[in-house]
Amino acid sequence: GAGVSQSPSNKVTEKGKDVELRCDPISGHTALYWYRQSLGQGLEFLIYFQGNSAPDKSGLPSDRFSAERTGGSVSTLTIQRTQQEDSAVYLCASSLGAVIYEQYFGPGTRLTVT
Amino acid sequence: AQSVTQLGSHVSVSEGALVLLRCNYSSSVPPYLFWYVQYPNQGLQLLLKYTTGATLVKGINGFEAEFKKSETSFHLTKPSAHMSDAAEYFCAVSEYGGSQGNLIFGKGTKLSVKP
Repeated sequence: GAGVSQSPSNKVTEKGKDVELRCDPISGHTALYWYRQSLGQGLEFLIYFQGNSAPDKSGLPSDRFSAERTGGSVSTLTIQRTQQEDSAVYLCASSLGAVIYEQYFGPGTRLTVT
Repeated sequence: AQSVTQLGSHVSVSEGALVLLRCNYSSSVPPYLFWYVQYPNQGLQLLLKYTTGATLVKGINGFEAEFKKSETSFHLTKPSAHMSDAAEYFCAVSEYGGSQGNLIFGKGTKLSVKP
């Protein structure tokens, strides 16, 4: 079966523009995670969806960041009014649910803000 | 709050030599611990995990790790390095110490293998 897919693979945007990053999780996985990977900060948790529960947004760095998950499947991470410090690789992962299950990671979206 | 410290951002070994990547954690509850590997331009892949039970955990590609509660450590080892092991390795702990929630990752250790 297909793994986690993310699109686009690369995104270059101008400072101040909005961007949307898409994640297609593995079918049947109830949990979906977004992480950000940057040189200075390493891997940072952003947001976590589990089934129909309210998402855990505790990792979102500012209110310019938001995410939704439609129909318990596809997720979109939106960054409004992008800043240069938003430049990073955004990774999506999905799993069967509880954290003891392996998180399967997508290849990431490399975001560059100019 | 849980946290992870990986000692050494870069480790270089010769092919055939022992690989030892260090990870120490901080957790206020019994931790779930993980090692992930990331090859260039790819996502992360699970190597092994410790949840409960046996403290010596074996993973894929010949890697293993031992959970030592007294030392709050979960070091990753492999007896003999192979060129294909060159990658970045991340240690992680479950944020809430239990089965729910996200992972907190260490900063990563980049492993180089010399021929």
